[in-house]
Amino acid sequence: SQKIEQNSEALNIQEGKTATLTCNYTNYSPAYLQWYRQDPGRGPVFLLLIRENEKEKRKERLKVTFDTTLKQSLFHITASQPADSATYLCAFYHTGFQKLVFGTGTRLLVSP
Amino acid sequence: ETGVTQTPRHLVMGMTNKKSLKCEQHLGHNAMYWYKQSAKKPLELMFVYSLEERVENNSVPSRFSPECPNSSHLFLHLHTLQPEDSALYLCASSQEEGTEAFFGQGTRLTVV
Repeated sequence: SQKIEQNSEALNIQEGKTATLTCNYTNYSPAYLQWYRQDPGRGPVFLLLIRENEKEKRKERLKVTFDTTLKQSLFHITASQPADSATYLCAFYHTGFQKLVFGTGTRLLVSP
Repeated sequence: ETGVTQTPRHLVMGMTNKKSLKCEQHLGHNAMYWYKQSAKKPLELMFVYSLEERVENNSVPSRFSPECPNSSHLFLHLHTLQPEDSALYLCASSQEEGTEAFFGQGTRLTVV
């Protein structure tokens, strides 16, 4: 079945460093991937969408890459801040099943 | 605020109760969704309404009943729930199916 895998272990980094989160997908070739941020007890917030013909997309301190050969997307936060601490979710839209398929998310902890 | 409002934010109900969750969006979106989020699990799509038409989801137990009276409102009617139904229930909307989703803050449901 179609699946998205994100590292379930929390990522701990120091303030100012670059955080890199990984999203791998299997058994499907999505036309685009989405990244969301979720804080505890709240709904996810959309961050970025990257299409299969885009290798890279940037928004302020955020950068997303999409490698259709590796079936992988990387999400980078440069100059990370404690306020970036949250869970980050990767998702793709399955046109056959007509639904967004989400990963379990990776928790990022940025310490001062 | 994302433009999607959910009420109530917290709900405790007994297994014999009937309650309803409400969702309202002011974004002019055509698609609305109910998701369930349990600990350590990916977001699980329960129901989709596109242009007020329901997309069937046969895997959801009948004790969950959605209602979409118009394009701005979505309800989830609950009755005779089980303790394992305790979770964060999230409503979302998008311009079209598959485009970026805007989530509400969620309803934290506890079934006792």
